[in-house]
Amino acid sequence: KQEVTQIPAALSVPEGENLVLNCSFTDSAIYNLQWFRQDPGKGLTSLLLIQSSQREQTSGRLNASLDKSSGRSTLYIAASQPGDSATYLCAVMAGGTSYGKLTFGQGTILTVHP
Amino acid sequence: GAGVSQSPSNKVTEKGKDVELRCDPISGHTALYWYRQSLGQGLEFLIYFQGNSAPDKSGLPSDRFSAERTGGSVSTLTIQRTQQEDSAVYLCASSPSGEIYGYTFGSGTRLTVV
Repeated sequence: KQEVTQIPAALSVPEGENLVLNCSFTDSAIYNLQWFRQDPGKGLTSLLLIQSSQREQTSGRLNASLDKSSGRSTLYIAASQPGDSATYLCAVMAGGTSYGKLTFGQGTILTVHP
Repeated sequence: GAGVSQSPSNKVTEKGKDVELRCDPISGHTALYWYRQSLGQGLEFLIYFQGNSAPDKSGLPSDRFSAERTGGSVSTLTIQRTQQEDSAVYLCASSPSGEIYGYTFGSGTRLTVV
């Protein structure tokens, strides 16, 4: 059974800092990994998707890496801003007989203070 | 439409009543998920539809919960004899087939049972 763990559970940083959020998964037979952002009381917004054959994806100040063999992904946020405050979730998509099934981590609550 | 549409956005119901929550996925998306999220909690998987395969109902918390997906498109989540612990945000997500695609979430339905 796939298990996804996110560390840290919560993070508070001053504006301008570069930061790293971690995601680990137990079963490396994944099709892709997706990072989401959730603002309080809202749905999930997709940030980045990394296919199993890829090592990283970048969008603006965000960079996500994937090391499938070791079951790890990191989300790097450069020059953090108060508007980045949200819960960040990673989710892995299964392959094989469980094709398409998503497993989420519990999320990292990020607070960026001015 | 351009995104996943959920209706209603908010629903207040009396304990014991039945409710229906609707999800319109993005046209052509074969996979559809229902999750729920209680206040301050993580995402709880409910049910997963993938193409014409039998749905994965393993996350439904009781037999009061059921879901269907008609014609591989619109999905309805039905909760019978609602209870106060059913109060949560119910989220729907859809995805095309293929590892290059991720999931798109709707904005959710906030259900309050009074």
